[in-house]
Amino acid sequence: AQSVTQLDSHVSVSEGTPVLLRCNYSSSYSPSLFWYVQHPNKGLQLLLKYTSAATLVKGINGFEAEFKKSETSFHLTKPSAHMSDAAEYFCVVSEERQLTFGSGTQLTVLP
Amino acid sequence: SQTIHQWPATLVQPVGSPLSLECTVEGTSNPNLYWYRQAAGRGLQLLFYSVGIGQISSEVPQNLSASRPQDRQFILSSKKLLLSDSGFYLCAWRDSGIRETQYFGPGTRLLVL
Repeated sequence: AQSVTQLDSHVSVSEGTPVLLRCNYSSSYSPSLFWYVQHPNKGLQLLLKYTSAATLVKGINGFEAEFKKSETSFHLTKPSAHMSDAAEYFCVVSEERQLTFGSGTQLTVLP
Repeated sequence: SQTIHQWPATLVQPVGSPLSLECTVEGTSNPNLYWYRQAAGRGLQLLFYSVGIGQISSEVPQNLSASRPQDRQFILSSKKLLLSDSGFYLCAWRDSGIRETQYFGPGTRLLVL
């Protein structure tokens, strides 16, 4: 069975500083991994996905994530936070056509 | 391009009343369709998924049901709502082939009073 752990329920950064949202996973197979973002009262938008190609994945809005099999991690990063990045972020693992979601990380960006 | 619609956007219903939420997808054929619920402060829970018309799989026992009367239409229903049914309901679709990415609708916020 697959599972996802997002290590921080809340992360707060200042505008212009780096963002790190941590995610660890467990999976029986070679997983596909995703990061989704959800702005308040909105649906989920796909940020990026890893599907066994390059381990460093670049997504939209300057986000990227690195798949590290030895650490079973898929942390999301961005060099410089923007106010519009404030949202909830979900790490997701896919196995057998179904998605398992982490519990989410709420990102706050301070001016 | 593909689009996914959900309605209504928000709904306030009394306990014991029926429910019908609708999801439609455009621009694709034979998609896999999913209903998720997001309770306040929690992640997403898969409720139902469907690989074709009339084919529904339930992930959790509850008083909700789902139906797929047409290829690109997915309906979430209840005969009698409970307070615990409050939440944000998201519909998603994915290609029926090998690609795994799911694309989400805008969601329906349900408040049961």
